Amino acid sequence: AQTVTQSQPEMSVQEAETVTLSCTYDTSESNYYLFWYKQPPSRQMILVIRQEAYKQQNATENRFSVNFQKAAKSFSLKISDSQLGDTAMYFCAFMKVDTDKLIFGTGTRLQVFP
Amino acid sequence: EAGVAQSPRYKIIEKRQSVAFWCNPISGHATLYWYQQILGQGPKLLIQFQNNGVVDDSQLPKDRFSAERLKGVDSTLKIQPAKLEDSAVYLCASSLDSGWTYGYTFGSGTRLTVV
Repeated sequence: AQTVTQSQPEMSVQEAETVTLSCTYDTSESNYYLFWYKQPPSRQMILVIRQEAYKQQNATENRFSVNFQKAAKSFSLKISDSQLGDTAMYFCAFMKVDTDKLIFGTGTRLQVFP
Repeated sequence: EAGVAQSPRYKIIEKRQSVAFWCNPISGHATLYWYQQILGQGPKLLIQFQNNGVVDDSQLPKDRFSAERLKGVDSTLKIQPAKLEDSAVYLCASSLDSGWTYGYTFGSGTRLTVV
């Protein structure tokens, strides 16, 4: 069975600074997908970034980028130039190829301070 | 386009009572998912529909939970009878087809408190 671990329950960062959220996962699959979702107080899960395991190049979406280390089964999220609107819960998630089932970690609460 | 609509937003019931949640996915989305998010945990898939057929309900506690998707559009998730451990946010999501290819759109969820 696949598991996703987020070892940082809470993080804080000052506005305009950079912060990195950690995620590790366990799987015997060789091909899969990885995601970072943001959940603000409105509770709606919003996709931040996604990565296909067979792609070695790290995904980037504007201020958000990942460091994908397949051998180490690590998938961290870097947020550059943090903004107050980035304050939210962040969830790392895993999806096996040919399924639609997201397996989530326990989340990291990120607080951005002015 | 309109998002995934869920109602009610909040619900408080006593244990052993029954409750139902409603989800209206984005128009044209074939795939619909129900996730359960217990406080302090990540969401867990309860059931996945493709049109009006069930694709995966392996983690649905079928002795008390049921779900249906009539005519492949709206969906209802029911709990009967509720237990204290059912207190959670119930999230509905939809996708045009496969979640990876087309992405999920989540609703804002229903927060259930069982007392």
